[in-house]
Amino acid sequence: DTEVTQTPKHLVMGMTNKKSLKCEQHMGHRAMYWYKQKAKKPPELMFVYSYEKLSINESVPSRFSPECPNSSLLNLHLHALQPEDSALYLCASSQDLKGQGVDEQYFGPGTRLTVT
Amino acid sequence: GESVGLHLPTLSVQEGDNSIINCAYSNSASDYFIWYKQESGKGPQFIIDIRSNMDKRQGQRVTVLLNKTVKHLSLQIAATQPGDSAVYFCAENQYGGKLIFGQGTELSVKP
Repeated sequence: DTEVTQTPKHLVMGMTNKKSLKCEQHMGHRAMYWYKQKAKKPPELMFVYSYEKLSINESVPSRFSPECPNSSLLNLHLHALQPEDSALYLCASSQDLKGQGVDEQYFGPGTRLTVT
Repeated sequence: GESVGLHLPTLSVQEGDNSIINCAYSNSASDYFIWYKQESGKGPQFIIDIRSNMDKRQGQRVTVLLNKTVKHLSLQIAATQPGDSAVYFCAENQYGGKLIFGQGTELSVKP
């Protein structure tokens, strides 16, 4: 199984809502990532988890809260988002055998988020 | 700030021709680069990677060239097919898993 799955595929939420994005992989990877991608732009890294510990936070606003319950799952909790947060949110994973993150990242299909 | 960039935002080629997509980077200490393909509605898909101890790496129909002197890399796709139509990103994989993407080149293949 070389797949990273993400749910939901699409999400529409109001600015006062609380929602969560979910990501799962069963490749035994120990690093997982969240990226944000606006239309016609490249993905931008948000968070990196290595061995279930947060290792990189790219100065992401606190209205985005990541969680890594175990090595296969990654969540992104959303609260009080703004319309400019509307984007494609991509999850990725990699083996990270040495805890250095320097290996191939496998991406999921993303969750298309619209904030109204 | 961004450390990688692409020369052209769009590239149109005839089916069967070879495609060349270019990318420049600014950090001479960069040592690991990856090319990704992103089709509409999908996440980026790994194509090929190259480390700084190599100048060239070949895969199936794809070749990546790395010129460290001028800090430039390119992706060559042989016998381009309609299924190759997508946005192609070069990316620098920094220590810790930080992947820095270039702006992307949209490849269109004309039948």
